[in-house]
Amino acid sequence: SAVISQKPSRDICQRGTSLTIQCQVDSQVTMMFWYRQQPGQSLTLIATANQGSEATYESGFVIDKFPISRPNLTFSTLTVSNLSPEDSSIYLCSAFDTLEAFFGQGTRLTVV
Amino acid sequence: GQNIDQPTEMTATEGAIVQINCTYQTSGFNGLFWYQQHAGEAPTFLSYNVLDGLEEKGRFSSFLSRSKGYSYLLLKELQMKDSASYLCAVRTNTGFQKLVFGTGTRLLVSP
Repeated sequence: SAVISQKPSRDICQRGTSLTIQCQVDSQVTMMFWYRQQPGQSLTLIATANQGSEATYESGFVIDKFPISRPNLTFSTLTVSNLSPEDSSIYLCSAFDTLEAFFGQGTRLTVV
Repeated sequence: GQNIDQPTEMTATEGAIVQINCTYQTSGFNGLFWYQQHAGEAPTFLSYNVLDGLEEKGRFSSFLSRSKGYSYLLLKELQMKDSASYLCAVRTNTGFQKLVFGTGTRLLVSP
């Protein structure tokens, strides 16, 4: 099974600024994903982080707001840009193994 | 489009059995997962079904009917620590694989 290290675990940011979240997997994985989880709700897929090419975004999410990097098979970053209070949420990194998806511990973002 | 529905909340008593249902309509299907998530923590894997039928793993069992777009998670001998959210997720295979989560069910186990 894969172990995912995600940081920061939490942050408080001013509106208008950006936050970059890092995700490190302890083994090479083909697929990595970024999710958002708003309080009391389930996980919403933001995008699939593709190694060597641009991320694939879900409906309602755009690259200008959520730029993603995937320089290799073990690492990815998600940036949440031009922060507003509505971006306050938990952001989770995930990676697929053969049979299951593993998750980082999440980043709790509060925008003030 | 993707549509994965679960009951919002359920309550049950310690020692009892509870069944959490999940219905799905997705573009492509390559397996269904159940995850448990305690408040403030990441989801943890419970089970995976790709073929019809029942998969049993200790106190937890999961059932899948692909023709009906239906799954359930069965929890037996409930314990207080089972109070958590339970998330159904479908792995789709249209274009490339991704994991799409249902609405989630908050389970409260009372003494």
